Amino acid sequence: RKEVEQDPGPFNVPEGATVAFNCTYSNSASQSFFWYRQDCRKEPKLLMSVYSSGNEDGRFTAQLNRASQYISLLIRDSKLSDSATYLCVVTQTVPLVFGKGTRLSVIA
Amino acid sequence: NAGVTQTPKFRVLKTGQSMTLLCAQDMNHEYMYWYRQDPGMGLRLIHYSVGEGTTAKGEVPDGYNVSRLKKQNFLLGLESAAPSQTSVYFCASSYKNSNQPQHFGDGTRLSIL
Repeated sequence: RKEVEQDPGPFNVPEGATVAFNCTYSNSASQSFFWYRQDCRKEPKLLMSVYSSGNEDGRFTAQLNRASQYISLLIRDSKLSDSATYLCVVTQTVPLVFGKGTRLSVIA
Repeated sequence: NAGVTQTPKFRVLKTGQSMTLLCAQDMNHEYMYWYRQDPGMGLRLIHYSVGEGTTAKGEVPDGYNVSRLKKQNFLLGLESAAPSQTSVYFCASSYKNSNQPQHFGDGTRLSIL
């Protein structure tokens, strides 16, 4: 089983839709979790950290399920500008492990 | 505040040539990383450093060397470039440890002919 797995997509959704991505991880000792966003031919940028109790930042909600070893990202009221690749990141005592990303296209 | 700066932005090399990619950060971060990103492969860690004067191998270290002589700089060297090293290279840094989020440079696009 790969350390971090994501559905590569693409997810094609209309503007205003709600979309959710999941990311599973294999190491139960993982300590920190993040979602990054990467636009085409650009560097990854931190979208949000994922906390055990779940957290929200505007239209974005991140959740962690340690028992089932997955994290999720929910995007409400999708905008055209949300089109990007979303990378989940998991870390423990060694450097971060990046998923390969889920591609989202928001269509007008 | 420049953050993480990579030079050069683009480079074309011939097989067998050598070169050094420079990464500089002005955030006083302890940890620094070099990744390569290829289509369908995601980000793969080449080497990393947990502090000045230290380096360690990542997932794909072969064909690369690194040095961290100063806290703010992390250099990635290609000793004898091969076409398989054609990729986009990203440098990143994090504050105290690998549990902190990483900040990325905007990448170096390297082509080996």
